[in-house]
Amino acid sequence: NAGVTQTPKFRVLKTGQSMTLLCAQDMNHEYMYWYRQDPGMGLRLIHYSVGEGTTAKGEVPDGYNVSRLKKQNFLLGLESAAPSQTSVYFCASSYSPSGGHEQYFGPGTRLTVT
Amino acid sequence: KNQVEQSPQSLIILEGKNCTLQCNYTVSPFSNLRWYKQDTGRGPVSLTIMTFSENTKSNGRYTATLDADTKQSSLHITASQLSDSASYICVVSATRTGGSYIPTFGRGTSLIVHP
Repeated sequence: NAGVTQTPKFRVLKTGQSMTLLCAQDMNHEYMYWYRQDPGMGLRLIHYSVGEGTTAKGEVPDGYNVSRLKKQNFLLGLESAAPSQTSVYFCASSYSPSGGHEQYFGPGTRLTVT
Repeated sequence: KNQVEQSPQSLIILEGKNCTLQCNYTVSPFSNLRWYKQDTGRGPVSLTIMTFSENTKSNGRYTATLDADTKQSSLHITASQLSDSASYICVVSATRTGGSYIPTFGRGTSLIVHP
């Protein structure tokens, strides 16, 4: 049982380049989330999904797109990277849409955009 | 708007000492509150969950309290260890009758324990 895994762990992009971050969970969780974490800002929700084939915007969705084609995977895309997207990205999953279920987090992806 | 405020923003203590972290929230209607611990370079991990009817809950040297009337929670760490150095994040969830459900995160308290 690997929990939540993220690929890649580190990445450096040039402004304007595109990339996709992959999140995978093996706990059969319905909910999946993408967060970014910046110094002093805490975790901020980018997009989330309440089930296979569904996605929704979070607090800071601009510049990102997501897809949930399979229940166990949640992809985060940057179509045209900007230096403001330099951050640490965390994926999380949780069991149920009802309140309070623990979110299980991945190890994070550190992205630098130059 | 649902908000979670944590204090202090950062804290430095000596090994063996106790400390208390605070969390104030305006999330409504309240469902539960979780404290997460995030070690440097890793994802957050849940320490404890508090529901409306619970006032105190312990997990080893960690004790969380909840006052639902004043909408405050605290996390008390007893006899701190070097491994307690981390960021502690308060997350509050609301009760929803339908639609999707997303918890509200605080910005965290950064704790450094010195030998």
